[in-house]
Amino acid sequence: GENVEQHPSTLSVQEGDSAVIKCTYSDSASNYFPWYKQELGKGPQLIIDIRSNVGEKKDQRIAVTLNKTAKHFSLHITETQPEDSAVYFCAATDARQLTFGSGTQLTVLP
Amino acid sequence: DSGVTQTPKHLITATGQRVTLRCSPRSGDLSVYWYQQSLDQGLQFLIQYYNGEERAKGNILERFSAQQFPDLHSELNLSSLELGDSALYFCASATSKSSGNTIYFGEGSWLTVV
Repeated sequence: GENVEQHPSTLSVQEGDSAVIKCTYSDSASNYFPWYKQELGKGPQLIIDIRSNVGEKKDQRIAVTLNKTAKHFSLHITETQPEDSAVYFCAATDARQLTFGSGTQLTVLP
Repeated sequence: DSGVTQTPKHLITATGQRVTLRCSPRSGDLSVYWYQQSLDQGLQFLIQYYNGEERAKGNILERFSAQQFPDLHSELNLSSLELGDSALYFCASATSKSSGNTIYFGEGSWLTVV
């Protein structure tokens, strides 16, 4: 089955700086890669996703890049704000089962 | 608010007992997923139902079972509970049977086994 590895497990940045979270996947059949944000005491919420026919996608301060050859994808958050502090999960699927990474605790320091 | 409703929000029970967690998917969604989130682990996929039928199975223990009813709500039954079953259990829903589309998570049910 699919295996998704996520790094780093914790990340602290100064407000206004950029944050990058990286994930690798094992199954070359995976074709959909969503990113979820989980705030304390809440369920994961989709923030951005990318499909295998696209190399990059951007939504305001958030962008995701995908390298199919290397089987890795990354989340980029620019101009970080305190409300960006949360746990971020990457995931990958071949349309049968969504496999999540282990999560990254992002802390934005004021 | 994702539109996925889970009850109860918190539950404390003793080892050996049985509990049922309930999930109402978003209006119109036919797929329901169950995930387990422990402190030291990420989101572990348990099982998926689509329109009443089991669609995919993950790392679900034999002590656990689930079903989806004709009105599309789902229940996750956990029996012979052990301390290690303490976790946050999420239900998620989606419109299609494929996990290659957005799935929406509920707020979760906190289970504490003492």
